[in-house]
Amino acid sequence: DGGITQSPKYLFRKEGQNVTLSCEQNLNHDAMYWYRQDPGQGLRLIYYSQIVNDFQKGDIAEGYSVSREKKESFPLTVTSAQKNPTAFYLCASSTGAGLNTGELFFGEGSRLTVL
Amino acid sequence: GQQVMQIPQYQHVQEGEDFTTYCNSSTTLSNIQWYKQRPGGHPVFLIQLVKSGEVKKQKRLTFQFGEAKKNSSLHITATQTTDVGTYFCAGLNAGGTSYGKLTFGQGTILTVHP
Repeated sequence: DGGITQSPKYLFRKEGQNVTLSCEQNLNHDAMYWYRQDPGQGLRLIYYSQIVNDFQKGDIAEGYSVSREKKESFPLTVTSAQKNPTAFYLCASSTGAGLNTGELFFGEGSRLTVL
Repeated sequence: GQQVMQIPQYQHVQEGEDFTTYCNSSTTLSNIQWYKQRPGGHPVFLIQLVKSGEVKKQKRLTFQFGEAKKNSSLHITATQTTDVGTYFCAGLNAGGTSYGKLTFGQGTILTVHP
């Protein structure tokens, strides 16, 4: 089946630790995105990538890092510099980017809890 | 930067009542998308509106895009318990510093009482 796979689904982390969330897609989409979801705040863009080996900061990039070494993969690292990392993280992909951005396909999400 | 405001934040209805959520952008949009997120799930694309004044229907759902391409609405007729979830709009900015950027509204959480 084509789609987006995020792992792990649930993750617990101690303060001061970095953690990496995986996102893999087999839709052959060029653009990939990471969003953070908190109650009452909708979806906020962390990072996005329109092509392999290139990515851009979104609205809340501080304390996060990404890489895009392969078209299929866009992992997100939540670093110890992120002051409030407990949240639901969603990865998405789309066929186009910029003004050609089409439908976003979302993964099932990763719920990170910092203890 | 671009802001997309969505109201109401919460809506509780009795099954069979209608429901409407509204989305307003601070800037002109190239297009607007709507998504539904079931409780515990992930957002799923519903529709995209592109043209000024466009109206699209999907069974009991009616989507509108304003003439100025700065606002949109989603109306559900005769809600059912399966309509429960959070409805998000997402506007694609047509110009300025947020050119080509997709910004999500805060979402409207719909509860349907049987």
